[in-house]
Amino acid sequence: EAGVTQFPSHSVIEKGQTVTLRCDPISGHDNLYWYRRVMGKEIKFLLHFVKESKQDESGMPNNRFLAERTGGTYSTLKVQPAELEDSGVYFCASSPRGGIGYGYTFGSGTRLTVV
Amino acid sequence: DAKTTQPTSMDCAEGRAANLPCNHSTISGNEYVYWYRQIHSQGPQYIIHGLKNNETNEMASLIITEDRKSSTLILPHATLRDTAVYYCIVRVVGAGSYQLTFGKGTKLSVIP
Repeated sequence: EAGVTQFPSHSVIEKGQTVTLRCDPISGHDNLYWYRRVMGKEIKFLLHFVKESKQDESGMPNNRFLAERTGGTYSTLKVQPAELEDSGVYFCASSPRGGIGYGYTFGSGTRLTVV
Repeated sequence: DAKTTQPTSMDCAEGRAANLPCNHSTISGNEYVYWYRQIHSQGPQYIIHGLKNNETNEMASLIITEDRKSSTLILPHATLRDTAVYYCIVRVVGAGSYQLTFGKGTKLSVIP
């Protein structure tokens, strides 16, 4: 089966611009997660979708970040306006329904650089 | 979720078993132990998880002590491709948040 796909793999934008990251989960996976690692820090949870609904968005850093999952398929994470501290690697993961007993499958990430 | 403690780094000779320890002394009865790893510039990769029984899959074995306060991930025949940061994560399964809390992990270097 195809894995979790993220694009772009790299993005370089100027401070104040908008960037949209996309994640295509494994087909049929109801659960979709966003995580990120900013420079020198640990990987941190951002939010969790179950199908198209936000189950947990407690990790979203502020209202400059907006995540959507249209029709319960792919998801986008928009950063608007981007700040320097948003630079890092953004990971998406997915798991099946009732996926708490399963491991999550992560994508390779999008490396975001804000200059 | 309970806190975990792992050594910062470890070395292992290629072909030998790599034994990665993890302490989770405050683990509660409904918390599972998960192991993930991150190979440089890739996303985290699920390895194995368990509750109280030892577990084995095609990648590794997980040994959990009887009191569940610590565990060991065993890679039976380490290869150079196993060089990565290994994360031990403890979390509740069955209700509530699905978050994974990543710590600093153990950087495993497999040496030729």
